[in-house]
Amino acid sequence: QKEVEQDPGPLSVPEGAIVSLNCTYSNSAFQYFMWYRQYSRKGPELLMYTYSSGNKEDGRFTAQVDKSSKYISLFIRDSQPSDSATYLCAMRIIQGAQKLVFGQGTRLTINP
Amino acid sequence: EPEVTQTPSHQVTQMGQEVILRCVPISNHLYFYWYRQILGQKVEFLVSFYNNEISEKSEIFDDQFSVERPDGSNFTLKIRSTKLEDSAMYFCASRWDRAGDQPQHFGDGTRLSIL
Repeated sequence: QKEVEQDPGPLSVPEGAIVSLNCTYSNSAFQYFMWYRQYSRKGPELLMYTYSSGNKEDGRFTAQVDKSSKYISLFIRDSQPSDSATYLCAMRIIQGAQKLVFGQGTRLTINP
Repeated sequence: EPEVTQTPSHQVTQMGQEVILRCVPISNHLYFYWYRQILGQKVEFLVSFYNNEISEKSEIFDDQFSVERPDGSNFTLKIRSTKLEDSAMYFCASRWDRAGDQPQHFGDGTRLSIL
C-alpha cells in the first residue's frame, strides 16, 4: 500500500462549482498535513497547512483532516479559472528532519 | 514576501558530466531540503540539511549526490556523474522552525535535462 494516495484526475469542473480534492494515507505517524498548488513549470506553492483533525478555512479554501480515517480533503468554493493547477497533498511526521511525503497530485481545470 | 530562489531555471548537460544546482533559501530559515519530480511522477524527497550537515537522505541520494552550504546564503546540490534518469525537476525548499511546526516553502525548481 502506498504511503499517500491521491487520485491524479484529471478533474474538470465549471466555474463557480465547489471542488473536492482528497488524499488517503497509511502511516498513522503523519501529524502535519499540507496542500500545495503547482502551476505548470512552477514549484509547489503552499495553500493550506494543518495539524489537528477537523476543518481549517482560509478564504475560498477549506482543509479537512480526519486522522481516524487517515483521510484529508481540500474544498475550493466558488472555483475560478485561475484555480486551474495541480493540487498536491503532502504530509510529515513530527520527529526528525520532517521530510514531506507527497501524493501524486490532482490536475484540476476550471472551465469558464 | 520572502521566497526561495533557484538557478538556473533550466540546465542541459551531457551524460557523465557534473552539474551543480543552486538555491538561495529564505534568509532566516534553518532547515533546507532538495526534492525531485520526474515528469509525470510524484515529488520525491532527496535530502534534508540542518546545522551544516545532512540530517536525512533518501535511497535516491546515493554517492553521486552531495549537498553543501558554502556560505550563509547558498545551498547547492551536486550530481557528480549524471545519468539519463537524473532528468527531472529539482526543487529546493526551506523551513524556519525552531518550534517544529512550520511548513516548507519551495522554489520554482531547476529543470535538469541529461542528453
